[in-house]
Amino acid sequence: EVQLVQSGAQVKKPGESLKISCKGSGYIFSTYWIGWVRQMPGKGLEWMGLIYPGDSDTRYSPSFRGQVTLSADKSISTAYLQWSRLKASDTAMYYCARPSTVGTTDAFDIWGQGTMVIVSS
Amino acid sequence: QSVLTQTPSTSGTPGQRVTISCSGSSSNIGGSTVIWYQQLPGTAPKLLIYDTDQRPSGVPDRFSGSKSGTSASLAISGLQSEDEAAYYCAAWDDSLRGPVFGGGTKLTVL
Repeated sequence: EVQLVQSGAQVKKPGESLKISCKGSGYIFSTYWIGWVRQMPGKGLEWMGLIYPGDSDTRYSPSFRGQVTLSADKSISTAYLQWSRLKASDTAMYYCARPSTVGTTDAFDIWGQGTMVIVSS
Repeated sequence: QSVLTQTPSTSGTPGQRVTISCSGSSSNIGGSTVIWYQQLPGTAPKLLIYDTDQRPSGVPDRFSGSKSGTSASLAISGLQSEDEAAYYCAAWDDSLRGPVFGGGTKLTVL
């Protein structure tokens, strides 16, 4: 079964760092892009960026460039989303997702279960 | 605000046909295929329509997608209570060099 499993919920303080993960299984992880999506409480979906685990080619949405870092370790089929200094406004659910077709970046049919990040003093 | 524009909410009664619209520009919908996602409360999004009008395996044919110029639509016929969810359109944006979402439409089944 093809699936993405994300790391568990996190409660952090403003200014702290954080790295959450997304582990793929059931397919060749290095050949599909991984996208990250933010959903703030009660709000809509926002694309944060994309990473190609095969060569770590990374594309950031303009709103998130410089705010987060995407990375991947293809040897363990895991993608990461990290912050160096969290803000209260980073409180949200974060999803990773995989497109339906190798090499494409449009239709994402495999989604992780989401990682809730709460940033509060 | 979102690059793609959707009406925030709509409603329908069981059995009715509803349409959800998504408006964009030549840099996204006008030059790209459109994707639709369904998000049930408390769950991850689910791919509903890809390539503007294609349904993944398992998606009922009550759901259909279309596009005209820089606007797209999702139609749901024979509305059922389990269709109550948020629906998001998405497309690749050439100017932003990445995918973009609509703001979402919350469908209530009365």
